[in-house]
Amino acid sequence: DSGVTQTPKHLITATGQRVTLRCSPRSGDLSVYWYQQSLDQGLQFLIQYYNGEERAKGNILERFSAQQFPDLHSELNLSSLELGDSALYFCASSVGELGGTDTQYFGPGTRLTVL
Amino acid sequence: AQTVTQSQPEMSVQEAETVTLSCTYDTSENNYYLFWYKQPPSRQMILVIRQEAYKQQNATENRFSVNFQKAAKSFSLKISDSQLGDTAMYFCAFRGPDKLIFGTGTRLQVFP
Repeated sequence: DSGVTQTPKHLITATGQRVTLRCSPRSGDLSVYWYQQSLDQGLQFLIQYYNGEERAKGNILERFSAQQFPDLHSELNLSSLELGDSALYFCASSVGELGGTDTQYFGPGTRLTVL
Repeated sequence: AQTVTQSQPEMSVQEAETVTLSCTYDTSENNYYLFWYKQPPSRQMILVIRQEAYKQQNATENRFSVNFQKAAKSFSLKISDSQLGDTAMYFCAFRGPDKLIFGTGTRLQVFP
């Protein structure tokens, strides 16, 4: 158990809908990262937040947005869902902000299925 | 651009044997970190081992060790005394100044 929690574990929805994925980082970690893993592919970095502020952006679609709250939990919002958004969405957390020696620890992921 | 390449899509090894998974990367950075993550069928991402680029000594964690060749930009993972529980996808990852970049993974099957 990495100490990172994600809810829900599974989510099934229809095209055009909007969903929210939630992540709670490990105790003491200030950074939260979101990744997308499509079927049998590697992980694609979406976005990073550090202590409530956006720090780095990857290949995140405009239909997707995220935020980190004062208690450091984070939410990833996916809207106008398409079939191709079906994937495993991981959250990871680390102590530091950028670079540095900190390691990212991953949550169990949320499996999103868009029908 | 920073890239990570894993050229072995699939590998297999017999239980108790040793296997080496390859990874190469491309970067112009001098200070960075390299990781191997394991993803078993449960799909959880589990950190296996980490290497700091400024350290010449290869990292070791129990049965897992790396061969880090900075000049060649190579970072291979050696699994000794393979166990059935080592069956998983293994991802090599490069940590630059702002993000973690993953390779496409190597699927390892350990046979009894």
